[in-house]
Formats: sequence, C-alpha cells, structure tokens
Amino acid sequence: AQSVTQLGSHVSVSEGALVLLRCNYSSSVPPYLFWYVQYPNQGLQLLLKYTTGATLVKGINGFEAEFKKSETSFHLTKPSAHMSDAAEYFCAVSDGRRSYIPTFGRGTSLIVHP
Amino acid sequence: DGGITQSPKYLFRKEGQNVTLSCEQNLNHDAMYWYRQDPGQGLRLIYYSQIVNDFQKGDIAEGYSVSREKKESFPLTVTSAQKNPTAFYLCASRLAGETQYFGPGTRLTVL
Repeated sequence: AQSVTQLGSHVSVSEGALVLLRCNYSSSVPPYLFWYVQYPNQGLQLLLKYTTGATLVKGINGFEAEFKKSETSFHLTKPSAHMSDAAEYFCAVSDGRRSYIPTFGRGTSLIVHP
Repeated sequence: DGGITQSPKYLFRKEGQNVTLSCEQNLNHDAMYWYRQDPGQGLRLIYYSQIVNDFQKGDIAEGYSVSREKKESFPLTVTSAQKNPTAFYLCASRLAGETQYFGPGTRLTVL
C-alpha cells in the first residue's frame, strides 16, 4: 500500500521568502512522485515529477523538489515566493505495482503575504 | 490543442435527481479517472478505466456510475443514491506509466 502525508494544511510566507512544502510518502516499491498545483476552481497542473535518475527535480515556475529515499520525503521548495504562487499544492505517489492509481495527499494551501 | 474538457463547469441538482458529468479527452490516453474533491480532504478516487468497455471502482464509488464506450469519453453519473454529492469533480487521463493530466473540473451543488 502507498500513502502520502503533507505536513501543514496551510503554509504562510512573505513575498520573496523561501517556500518549503513538506511531503512524506510510504511505498513498498520504488515510487514515482509528483507535485501538482491547483488554483481556485481549476484542475490540477503538474509542477514536477520524479521517476528515476537524478534525485533533484526542477519544475515549472521556479519550483524544485528532492527525492530523499532514506527520509521517504519529496519536499517542494522555491527560493523566493511570488504572489502568484498562492494556490493549493498536492503531493502524489504512484506505486510501481499499481502505477496507474496515484495516491494524493490532502493538500497544502500556500498563502503569500505582500 | 490536445487536452481534457469537462462540462458543465457548474451544475445544480435537486434532491432525488440523477445528473451526468461529461469528460472528454483528445490526448489518445488509455486510462481515465474520476476524482471527488472536498475541502481539506484532497482527491478521492471514484472510478477509473484502463481501457474501453472496462472500469473499476475506486475508494468512494457508492452512489456513482460510469461508462467507457469510447476511448475519448468517460462520463460520470451522480445518482440519487449519493447522499452528499455537493463537491468539486475532477476528471483525469493518463498514458500508461506517465503523468496524469486533469480537466478543469465541474462544481456540483445540490439545491
């Protein structure tokens, strides 16, 4: 079985500050890991994904995430927050044995203050 | 442009009515999914389909039904048996082993 835990339902940062959204997963096989962003009343858009290879993954809008197997983590970071980053962020894990059914975390709402 | 379309964007249902949410994709993806989203609960899987004429229940299938008669279409019917259907519904599709792509969603409200 696979699961995802996103620490913190809300994260608040000032514009220009570091963004750190935490994601821990469990999977009995090497996982595929994803971060999605959702703006109000819209669908989910892929930010970045890890499947194999380099553990530091760069995505769109200046976001990146690092796969740390020993910590079972895939935290999302951005060096400098922008007002337009305010949105809901979802981490997801896909188990290799059932790779067609990802499991999603409950989401973290990012609030950016001017 | 390739993508996933969902219609309508907003839908209102009276108690006891069945309603059908549309999902169409022109990405030539084999797998399609329906999720329900409620505040603070993330995405919960309702049904998924890996190929035409085949589909499986997800975690919260009770009160919902689907069909997959064409590769590009995966409509979801919310039946009167679903006691709390007010939610945001998301459709997604995926090529085997690849990333899911999501539609823009349908917000269903029970009056």
